[in-house]
Amino acid sequence: QVQLQESGPGLVKPSQPLSLTCTVSGGSISSGGTNWNWIRQLPGRGLEWIGYIYYSGSTYYSPSLKSRITISVDTSENQFSLRLTSVTAADTAVYYCARYGPTGAFDYWGQGTLVTVSS
Amino acid sequence: EIVLTQSPATLSLSPGERATLSCRASQSIAGSLAWYQQKPGQAPRLLMYDASKRPTGVPARFSGRGSGTDFTLTISSLEPEDFAVYYCQQRSNFHTFGQGTKLEIK
Repeated sequence: QVQLQESGPGLVKPSQPLSLTCTVSGGSISSGGTNWNWIRQLPGRGLEWIGYIYYSGSTYYSPSLKSRITISVDTSENQFSLRLTSVTAADTAVYYCARYGPTGAFDYWGQGTLVTVSS
Repeated sequence: EIVLTQSPATLSLSPGERATLSCRASQSIAGSLAWYQQKPGQAPRLLMYDASKRPTGVPARFSGRGSGTDFTLTISSLEPEDFAVYYCQQRSNFHTFGQGTKLEIK
């Protein structure tokens, strides 16, 4: 059973970078037919896809966030990471990591981590 | 960007009743649609992919249909654990989610 777990600071100051890591267990991040995603949920609102990475390092980002995002992968640690720069209060959200699997959908999710942007 | 519009925003039903949730895409997405269930404090759970396919472990009372721009998720007979928020999501062009339908107990 694949499991994902987000980790990182729960509080970030405005204009600072937000950095989160997702650790994958129960399966290899190098599995074929999968990519690894970050998705966020703004307070009381719906879900917003941020971007994904393949184990090879290839990435694809949401056009609306592209200028501020970097997603990286560490296959040796079975982890992938998100860095979001120049954050504002509008970036306050629950951040999820999720696997996009062979079904063509997000089949495994982390539990989510709340990141609050505040001074 | 492909916009997904879900209706209704809130659906009030009783256990045992049939629920029908709708998702409309702003342009054709063929069958590239998934449905998720989210309960408070939990991550979304995949319920349906490719519009009508159930992952292993999802009860048979959940069914999906549609293609192009109009999709529905049907729960044939509501169980108490089905009351939650449901999201549709498309993968035809990047990934976008609908705004959700809250299924509440009447």
